[in-house]
Amino acid sequence: GENVEQHPSTLSVQEGDSAVIKCTYSDSASNYFPWYKQELGKRPQLIIDIRSNVGEKKDQRIAVTLNKTAKHFSLHITETQPEDSAVYFCAASVSAGNQFYFGTGTSLTVIP
Amino acid sequence: SAVISQKPSRDICQRGTSLTIQCQVDSQVTMMFWYRQQPGQSLTLIATANQGSEATYESGFVIDKFPISRPNLTFSTLTVSNMSPEDSSIYLCSVVVTSYEQYFGPGTRLTVT
Repeated sequence: GENVEQHPSTLSVQEGDSAVIKCTYSDSASNYFPWYKQELGKRPQLIIDIRSNVGEKKDQRIAVTLNKTAKHFSLHITETQPEDSAVYFCAASVSAGNQFYFGTGTSLTVIP
Repeated sequence: SAVISQKPSRDICQRGTSLTIQCQVDSQVTMMFWYRQQPGQSLTLIATANQGSEATYESGFVIDKFPISRPNLTFSTLTVSNMSPEDSSIYLCSVVVTSYEQYFGPGTRLTVT
């Protein structure tokens, strides 16, 4: 089955700096890659996603890039703010509605 | 997106007992999943709740321990049976809408004493 690895496990940045979280996957059939943000005591929230026919997607301060050849995708957060502090999970899915395989999570702390 | 509710939001249970968690969605969805998330850990898929047929369980999870019902396209239940302290965790249901996007319920925080 699919194996998703996520790095780093913890990340601290100064407010205003950029943060990058990287994930790799093993199954070349995976074609959908969402990112979730989970604040303490809350449910995971979908923040951005990318499909395999696209190399990059941006939504305001967050962007995701995908390299299908290398089987890795990354989350980029620019101009970080304290409210970006949370745990971020990447995931991969083989096909529409199929099960999702999650990375181990990255705890991001933005220092004011 | 979808509006998902879970009941109960939290519970404290005695070992050896069972707890049934309910998940309700505000629209009909084909795919519904149950996850477990232990403190500080990632999300582990327990099973896919199939409407009209038996749930599909992931490795390490069995129907006798985690029976699942899916009577219609908006509702599912997960039962945690014969609980032990190791079952203490957050249990989340999720649904897939618009072919790909997955949304989570608020979770049920279970403590087994």
